[in-house]
Amino acid sequence: DGGITQSPKYLFRKEGQNVTLSCEQNLNHDAMYWYRQDPGQGLRLIYYSQIVNDFQKGDIAEGYSVSREKKESFPLTVTSAQKNPTAFYLCASSPGTTLNNEQFFGPGTRLTVL
Amino acid sequence: QKEVEQNSGPLSVPEGAIASLNCTYSDRGSQSFFWYRQYSGKSPELIMFIYSNGDKEDGRFTAQLNKASQYVSLLIRDSQPSDSATYLCAVSGLSGGYNKLIFGAGTRLAVHP
Repeated sequence: DGGITQSPKYLFRKEGQNVTLSCEQNLNHDAMYWYRQDPGQGLRLIYYSQIVNDFQKGDIAEGYSVSREKKESFPLTVTSAQKNPTAFYLCASSPGTTLNNEQFFGPGTRLTVL
Repeated sequence: QKEVEQNSGPLSVPEGAIASLNCTYSDRGSQSFFWYRQYSGKSPELIMFIYSNGDKEDGRFTAQLNKASQYVSLLIRDSQPSDSATYLCAVSGLSGGYNKLIFGAGTRLAVHP
């Protein structure tokens, strides 16, 4: 089956810990994205990558880091510098980055800070 | 600040009725418009996209775009209880050379039997 997978589904973090969220896609898409969703709010872009070994900050990149060493993988690390990390994290991909490229989402990871 | 506005709802409609979901956007340069459906606790699922002024129909769904008024809507005909979800409007425009999607906060739709 082609698609986007995210793991884990639920993640609990203690104060001061870094945690890494996994995102893998087998759609052969060039572009990948990380969004954060808080209750009652729209999705906000954290980071995006248009091609392997390249990524750019989105609107709320502070306290997060990413890597794009392989086309199919785009992991997100939530560092201890992120002051309010409890949220629903969504990974997406699209065939390219031109205007008419639809973005498709993975199932999400729900992160809770204890 | 580029914005996408949606009424948060809930929009309550009886089964079999037409549900009308509306979205306005601030960036006149926006080129592409998307509707996603999100069930509670799940990720967004793309259901429609529209690029040109006018209507686009796909099954029970019709997307309507009016760029002059900066307005996009989604009509759901013969609404079913399974359509109960939050509907996210997303607007695309070029920013720094890439396809940036701006999302509205969503409208919650409740279809009652």
